[in-house]
Amino acid sequence: AQSVTQPDIHITVSEGASLELRCNYSYGATPYLFWYVQSPGQGLQLLLKYFSGDTLVQGIKGFEAEFKRSQSSFNLRKPSVHWSDAAEYFCAVGAAGGGADGLTFGKGTHLIIQP
Amino acid sequence: SAVISQKPSRDICQRGTSLTIQCQVDSQVTMMFWYRQQPGQSLTLIATANQGSEATYESGFVIDKFPISRPNLTFSTLTVSNMSPEDSSIYLCSVEARGGVSYNEQFFGPGTRLTVL
Repeated sequence: AQSVTQPDIHITVSEGASLELRCNYSYGATPYLFWYVQSPGQGLQLLLKYFSGDTLVQGIKGFEAEFKRSQSSFNLRKPSVHWSDAAEYFCAVGAAGGGADGLTFGKGTHLIIQP
Repeated sequence: SAVISQKPSRDICQRGTSLTIQCQVDSQVTMMFWYRQQPGQSLTLIATANQGSEATYESGFVIDKFPISRPNLTFSTLTVSNMSPEDSSIYLCSVEARGGVSYNEQFFGPGTRLTVL
């Protein structure tokens, strides 16, 4: 069965500092990987996704993520965070080959931005 | 992308009652999914709903507790039956990306926040 691990429950970063959120997955075949953000009281918004090709993917709001098959990781990065980035971030894995399955989510990382 | 709406946005219900949550999409989609997000937790898939067939439930979820309807390609309902305080969660509807031969990209509705007293 597929699984996603986000080892950091909370992360605190100063505004303007760089950010890296960790995500490790377990999946028996080629995974499709996603990062979603959930702001307080809001739904989930897709930040970026990896299906194939270039292992460094660019997303919205200045985020990027790098797929490393050898490490089974898909870490999310941003060079300079803004106060509005404070939110809950979820990494998710989906089955390759079609939409017959839902997504498996990690437990989330709560990002706190210090002024 | 798809625009998804859910009704109600929130509700407070009494133990033992049932609540039906509606999910409406602005385009026709094949796959619709229902997730639960318990307080402070991540999202857990409840079931997959295809139009014209029975919903497929994940381990730990059963049709008697969470009956689902999918009458057409733009609409689905999830009922939370015989509720208990443990059912207090956010329930989210999601759909597969439009045009989806699908890379399994999903878009989520705003969620329904349910509190059971």
